[in-house]
Amino acid sequence: QKEVEQDPGPLSVPEGAIVSLNCTYSNSAFQYFMWYRQYSRKGPELLMYTYSSGNKEDGRFTAQVDKSSKYISLFIRDSQPSDSATYLCALLGGRALTFGSGTRLQVQP
Amino acid sequence: GAVVSQHPSWVICKSGTSVKIECRSLDFQATTMFWYRQFPKQSLMLMATSNEGSKATYEQGVEKDKFLINHASLTLSTLTVTSAHPEDSSFYICSAPPDSYNEQFFGPGTRLTVL
Repeated sequence: QKEVEQDPGPLSVPEGAIVSLNCTYSNSAFQYFMWYRQYSRKGPELLMYTYSSGNKEDGRFTAQVDKSSKYISLFIRDSQPSDSATYLCALLGGRALTFGSGTRLQVQP
Repeated sequence: GAVVSQHPSWVICKSGTSVKIECRSLDFQATTMFWYRQFPKQSLMLMATSNEGSKATYEQGVEKDKFLINHASLTLSTLTVTSAHPEDSSFYICSAPPDSYNEQFFGPGTRLTVL
């Protein structure tokens, strides 16, 4: 069993839709939860990070953490074609990050 | 956010040669940098942790003699792929935390193709 599970997609939605991306994890030692966006052949870009259970909002993005269920989510409101990318969850339990496999998102104009 | 650069962005080499990849933190100092490898349509896998002034820490299954890491200054870490083979072809990405490990910034990556 992988430490972090993420549905690889691809996920295709129409422009303006609400997108829900999810990861589950098995190791309770993870304390910080990040979401990265990666465009093709580019390095990952940090979108958000959270520490505690609950929601954190930043513009059109909302990160949600449920430590009791070991489940994290990223919601994108009013999705745009420019949001088309691979979204990676990343978890931190020490110094280095453990990544999910990434979900490829395609927002259709 | 903080800026991390990598050089080169793309390199092609012959089998058996060595390739050096640089990772620089442009606007902050980093005592620790991380090197990842990403195969097509797969996620990032941590290869090693680069520590300024001391030896790198390698993940299980990563050959330290093949992937040489040097963190000679607070803004530069280098990864040298020695005696490269086609199976080493991959996307190599570094990251560095300006402050705390929960906020790591990634370089743009280096695409290595070994013929």
